[in-house]
Amino acid sequence: EPEVTQTPSHQVTQMGQEVILRCVPISNHLYFYWYRQILGQKVEFLVSFYNNEISEKSEIFDDQFSVERPDGSNFTLKIRSTKLEDSAMYFCASSSGENTEAFFGQGTRLTVV
Amino acid sequence: GESVGLHLPTLSVQEGDNSIINCAYSNSASDYFIWYKQESGKGPQFIIDIRSNMDKRQGQRVTVLLNKTVKHLSLQIAATQPGDSAVYFCAESPGNTDKLIFGTGTRLQVFP
Repeated sequence: EPEVTQTPSHQVTQMGQEVILRCVPISNHLYFYWYRQILGQKVEFLVSFYNNEISEKSEIFDDQFSVERPDGSNFTLKIRSTKLEDSAMYFCASSSGENTEAFFGQGTRLTVV
Repeated sequence: GESVGLHLPTLSVQEGDNSIINCAYSNSASDYFIWYKQESGKGPQFIIDIRSNMDKRQGQRVTVLLNKTVKHLSLQIAATQPGDSAVYFCAESPGNTDKLIFGTGTRLQVFP
């Protein structure tokens, strides 16, 4: 069964450092997303990406965040200068169309110290 | 990947009983709804979805009911099994967007 894969599963970084979270969406999907889940809270939308550009972003997704699809398979989330409050689980998701089933990866647990 | 949820509502059911998990959604413009299951250390897993032109949809052992009048969504799980133990999230998608807005989640505990 096709699945969304994310690496690493756990990333520890010092405050102020840049991190790149990586995702390989399902191969025939066209819509890509990043969500995050702070411990004990609900899953929050960060950004959606379609046709090589951001289609929507939330207030959380400020200029410290960026996304990229550098090749035909990877989808990355970069945080330029991490803050303590960026500590969370980050989930990548992909779907084949708008308002269709979104498949989620297993997540990357980011810990900023 | 779990929502530890110190304040997470919890539903405890006996194995074999039916479970009903409820969700109130916020946006009257939402036209697509999904239920996700999240097990400890894993990402959300799709269970079933429903569009706003329907009020009921059935899957294998699961049924989703949508009441647009009161903006209420429910997930019914028949013959609940220990493997159903997880946190369940409803999510809505407003009509002019493809993002998902997640609810706070309900923890389902199944005991023998």
